Amino acid sequence: DVKVTQSSRYLVKRTGEKVFLECVQDMDHENMFWYRQDPGLGLRLIYFSYDVKMKEKGDIPEGYSVSREKKERFSLILESASTNQTSMYLCASSPTIDGYNQPQHFGDGTRLSIL
Amino acid sequence: GDSVTQMEGPVTLSEEAFLTINCTYTATGYPSLFWYVQYPGEGLQLLLKATKADDKGSNKGFEATYRKETTSFHLEKGSVQVSDSAVYFCALRLTGFQKLVFGTGTRLLVSP
Repeated sequence: DVKVTQSSRYLVKRTGEKVFLECVQDMDHENMFWYRQDPGLGLRLIYFSYDVKMKEKGDIPEGYSVSREKKERFSLILESASTNQTSMYLCASSPTIDGYNQPQHFGDGTRLSIL
Repeated sequence: GDSVTQMEGPVTLSEEAFLTINCTYTATGYPSLFWYVQYPGEGLQLLLKATKADDKGSNKGFEATYRKETTSFHLEKGSVQVSDSAVYFCALRLTGFQKLVFGTGTRLLVSP
């Protein structure tokens, strides 16, 4: 079974802090994704990466950055946390097989509160 | 732009009732369609998928048929159980792209 592990289930930080959310997958997937989930808005893509050191902006990248130094690890960084970044953050990964993108596998999420 | 519209929730049913959760989409190309389920306190799990028109995805008693003419992918189950209580997300992905576009989710509550 694919395992996508997010480093924290719950996290509380203060406004202005630099926040790191970590995600690790154990299936050698090429693609990794960060979403945020908010009531009434569903999931919105923040950033994704299709290879080591490669990244693409999603729909809502403002206020965030990402890092992918190793294939298995994809980090989301809040450069200066603000209260409107309080949310559930979900990491996902997927393989590309024979040029076709396969379904994404999700971690259990990190519920982040910014005070 | 590409989008997915789901019926508002919560959907409240008694055990063994028939379930339909509506999903329609707007897409510029020919998308693959997915249903994901999120149980309380967990991440999303792929429930079923369909990659082309008239395909039927099925899993755990759930079914959905890709209807190109009505741009729909409605989720159905003949007899729900209490353990089916969760949030269900419809999503699309355009061919050649990794990005998923999600609906807002529909919460299902099943009572004994």
